[in-house]
Amino acid sequence: EVQLVESGGGLVQPGGSLRLSCAASGFTFSTYYMTWVRQAPGKGLEWVANIRQDGSHRNYVDSVKGRFTISRDNTKNSLYLQMNSLRAEDTAVYYCARDEGGSLTEWGRGTLVTVSS
Amino acid sequence: QAVLTQPSSLSASPGASASLTCTLRSGINVGTYRIYWYQQKPGSPPQYLLRYNSDSDKQQGSGVPSRFSGSKDASANAGILLISGLQSEDEADYYCMIWHSSAWVFGGGTKLTVL
Repeated sequence: EVQLVESGGGLVQPGGSLRLSCAASGFTFSTYYMTWVRQAPGKGLEWVANIRQDGSHRNYVDSVKGRFTISRDNTKNSLYLQMNSLRAEDTAVYYCARDEGGSLTEWGRGTLVTVSS
Repeated sequence: QAVLTQPSSLSASPGASASLTCTLRSGINVGTYRIYWYQQKPGSPPQYLLRYNSDSDKQQGSGVPSRFSGSKDASANAGILLISGLQSEDEADYYCMIWHSSAWVFGGGTKLTVL
């Protein structure tokens, strides 16, 4: 059974940092692109970043460029999102998803990040 | 103007069909994009439904019923998700997505009410 489990969310002050993790199981993690998608409370979906299978290529939404870094460790079947200089508008549930060229076929249940003083 | 525009809400009756539109911004030609569709029910992560580019380039998500299908309306510059034989369980938010300018872009979503 495919599983994606996010962790690392929580309450952080504006300007602070958090590192999200996504533990993958039930599939060959190293053969898939992986993606982070977020959803602000009561709002729609927003793609955040994705990363190639070997970590050699990454893409980001403009609003997080220079602040967020996506990475992966294929030896640990894990995906990460390092979030720095957090803003109130980054408050959201963050989902990791298995990315098959846009077909985000498997999703975790998400982890909530709240940026507030 | 947003890259993808979806009506915020749509209502339809059980057993009827619902056509959900995803309009691309002027200057972005729907004919050159694969359109991806997702369903999200309250309290749950999104679920992949399907991808549509043309009748020869389409993909149904695993386990997704065939009453969910995709198409395009070139005259409206829009992607369409058609749900036939509506059931109460289809009540959900639906999002379209495309790859544009090196980023995945979601539409704002349509809340489908089945009543």
